[in-house]
Amino acid sequence: DQQVKQNSPSLSVQEGRISILNCDYTNSMFDYFLWYKKYPAEGPTFLISISSIKDKNEDGRFTVFLNKSAKHLSLHIVPSQPGDSAVYFCAARGSNSGYALNFGKGTSLLVTP
Amino acid sequence: EAGVVQSPRYKIIEKKQPVAFWCNPISGHNTLYWYRQNLGQGPELLIRYENEEAVDDSQLPKDRFSAERLKGVDSTLKIQPAELGDSAVYLCASSSDILGLTEAFFGQGTRLTVV
Repeated sequence: DQQVKQNSPSLSVQEGRISILNCDYTNSMFDYFLWYKKYPAEGPTFLISISSIKDKNEDGRFTVFLNKSAKHLSLHIVPSQPGDSAVYFCAARGSNSGYALNFGKGTSLLVTP
Repeated sequence: EAGVVQSPRYKIIEKKQPVAFWCNPISGHNTLYWYRQNLGQGPELLIRYENEEAVDDSQLPKDRFSAERLKGVDSTLKIQPAELGDSAVYLCASSSDILGLTEAFFGQGTRLTVV
């Protein structure tokens, strides 16, 4: 039962433009959401997070938006750079999942020059 | 500060053989996780430790998988016997808050191939 869904397996964006990665979740008990970035042959690295009490969190070129009523969050990267090319995982945790991270399947982002 | 260290990076074994993975978490991190990532999927939790106690092992296939975290620091994950379907990347992660409310830091993973 996939509680975190990333329905776009891949995304291609031109350098300098905005990348928008989407994530949906089904468990209303999730209260903390994270985005991880993964390069080939490396472990996921933490990118940005947001608590359920907020609807936006910004860190440099990265902004995460949370729409609790729609159970939807998105990651915006502006401007996109070739080095951003990686697989991005959305993850969520909540008290009824033992605070363990539930991951989506990932979206592979390719930023072309 | 050193990150989460896992070994080996790669392991190829024949089915029915045993295999073990080792993880050294970030110093001071009380929570340790083992995740399995199948090709094209996101990581899936196998077991979570708070200090030396396994607080969530509901997803660990206990007939063939075992884990331990002696003294609440390093951890080992063992599979015996391995099956073809166990081929995956095994990721270890750690975090510093007992409720796991801070982000988890991942190691590079061990890529297991069972032939």
